[in-house]
Amino acid sequence: GENVEQHPSTLSVQEGDSAVIKCTYSDSASNYFPWYKQELGKGPQLIIDIRSNVGEKKDQRIAVTLNKTAKHFSLHITETQPEDSAVYFCAASRGDYKLSFGAGTTVTVRA
Amino acid sequence: ETGVTQSPTHLIKTRGQQVTLRCSSQSGHNTVSWYQQALGQGPQFIFQYYREEENGRGNFPPRFSGLQFPNYSSELNVNALELDDSALYLCASSAVVNTEAFFGQGTRLTVV
Repeated sequence: GENVEQHPSTLSVQEGDSAVIKCTYSDSASNYFPWYKQELGKGPQLIIDIRSNVGEKKDQRIAVTLNKTAKHFSLHITETQPEDSAVYFCAASRGDYKLSFGAGTTVTVRA
Repeated sequence: ETGVTQSPTHLIKTRGQQVTLRCSSQSGHNTVSWYQQALGQGPQFIFQYYREEENGRGNFPPRFSGLQFPNYSSELNVNALELDDSALYLCASSAVVNTEAFFGQGTRLTVV
């Protein structure tokens, strides 16, 4: 089955700086890669996703890049704000939306 | 448009008991997936239901079972509860056309 590895496990950044989270996947048939943000006591919230026919996607301060050859994808958050503090999960699937998740990255934005 | 709702939000059960968790999918979504999230870990796929039929299962034993109803709501049943079943159980719904998966807030199950 699919194996998704996520790094780093924790990330502390100064407000206004950028944050980058990286994930690798094992199944070359995976073609859908969403990112979720989970706040304490809540379910994961979809923040951005990318499909295998696209190399990069951006939505305001958030961007995701995908390298199919290397089987890795990354989340970039620019101009971080305190409300960006949360746990972020990457995931991969073959398009059947049976998601395989990474272990998560706890992001802390210092004021 | 209502989101994905799960009930109950918290539950405490004794080892060996059975539990039923419920999920109402987002309006217009006909696919429901269930995930188990242990503390400090990413969600693990349990199974998916599409048009009332199981449509794939992860690495979970048969004592984890489910149902999907004609209105696309779903239940997760766990028999013979074990201490390791303590986790946050998440339901996610998706539509055939708009295929992103949206999660509910989860049910926190504690087995004692």
